[in-house]
Amino acid sequence: GNSVTQMEGPVTLSEEAFLTINCTYTATGYPSLFWYVQYPGEGLQLLLKATKADDKGSNKGFEATYRKETTSFHLEKGSVQVSDSAVYFCAPRLGNTDKLIFGTGTRLQVFP
Amino acid sequence: GAVVSQHPSRVICKSGTSVKIECRSLDFQATTMFWYRQFPKKSLMLMATSNEGSKATYEQGVEKDKFLINHASLTLSTLTVTSAHPEDSSFYICSASRQGADYGYTFGSGTRLTVV
Repeated sequence: GNSVTQMEGPVTLSEEAFLTINCTYTATGYPSLFWYVQYPGEGLQLLLKATKADDKGSNKGFEATYRKETTSFHLEKGSVQVSDSAVYFCAPRLGNTDKLIFGTGTRLQVFP
Repeated sequence: GAVVSQHPSRVICKSGTSVKIECRSLDFQATTMFWYRQFPKKSLMLMATSNEGSKATYEQGVEKDKFLINHASLTLSTLTVTSAHPEDSSFYICSASRQGADYGYTFGSGTRLTVV
């Protein structure tokens, strides 16, 4: 079946540290891939996306590359800030529907 | 940018009563809206997909008679939790799709339901 695997965390980092949040997925076809971020007490916001293999999505210093061969879409940021503290969700969109499949989310905590 | 407004943000109700949650797309027409439920420290669970003017499609295991979804217009979808029980307490989030997934999905800010 369709599924998403990402580390649950919490991932705890100091400000300006390098961030990687791994995401691998199982899905039929070639899904579009999304990262969403949820700040405390808020709904989800689109962070970045990639729609085909080798595409790199980027936004606010975050990047993720669509790796078809490893079915992965790892999220990276070179220097995190305290304001990046949130829960991050990797979400493939199934190719034959409009449905997003969410992982458990990864909680990121950045300390000054 | 696309905005989805969800109300109320928090609601407390007594067991046995019904609660309605509204999801509105403010500056675009949402042909499809999705309703999710989020448990503490867990992922979002898709409950149902609603298309304007047609019946909602529920995911396996979701009781359609308990979670009534109405998508009466291209800008409004409602979720009614009927005969609420404490185990229905959760965070409910809607999202709206505009012209296919490459636009991404716009999410509401969520509703925290507490049934006492």
